[in-house]
Amino acid sequence: AAGVIQSPRHLIKEKRETATLKCYPIPRHDTVYWYQQGPGQDPQFLISFYEKMQSDKGSIPDRFSAQQFSDYHSELNMSSLELGDSALYFCASSLGAGAKTQYFGPGTRLLVL
Amino acid sequence: DAKTTQPTSMDCAEGRAANLPCNHSTISGNEYVYWYRQIHSQGPQYIIHGLKNNETNEMASLIITEDRKSSTLILPHATLRDTAVYYCIVRDNAGNMLTFGGGTRLMVKP
Repeated sequence: AAGVIQSPRHLIKEKRETATLKCYPIPRHDTVYWYQQGPGQDPQFLISFYEKMQSDKGSIPDRFSAQQFSDYHSELNMSSLELGDSALYFCASSLGAGAKTQYFGPGTRLLVL
Repeated sequence: DAKTTQPTSMDCAEGRAANLPCNHSTISGNEYVYWYRQIHSQGPQYIIHGLKNNETNEMASLIITEDRKSSTLILPHATLRDTAVYYCIVRDNAGNMLTFGGGTRLMVKP
């Protein structure tokens, strides 16, 4: 079965640079979620979108923004990168919003130098 | 979302059943119990979820106590590939986010 696709899988950036992470949900899934997992930490919810509208917001820094497009893929834009942004970024998708089962992608590992 | 309490770590012998407990004493009536696991640095993997009744799928069984204040995830025949961090998450039917907290690090040993 098709899974969530994330690109790139690995990314290295310098401080103050920008980065864009992409997420392609499971076909027919209309909801995407972004999570950040720092070294040795648990995944933390950042933001979610349902039918291209922001549906919930967690601990996402103001330097980050995200959107969902008409084909339901999503992009997480990160500006003025800081060393502390080095983390795994996971995207998940579900069919419908609310308490629907979320299926996670393999993640993007971001390293900020 | 209600908070959960899980053991920090557990060991299990390969081929034996792994029973992972979770306490969620403040769970409310419309909140589900979800289980996910994360194998080292991979994306969290959905295992199973339930509301009141016990549930079983090809991966595991979920036993929820009658008062819903605790649950147990059962992996019937643990393999080395089941070594992972297992998260018990309680969420209501309107909640979008999953709140991961702590989890149990299960080590399956030969």
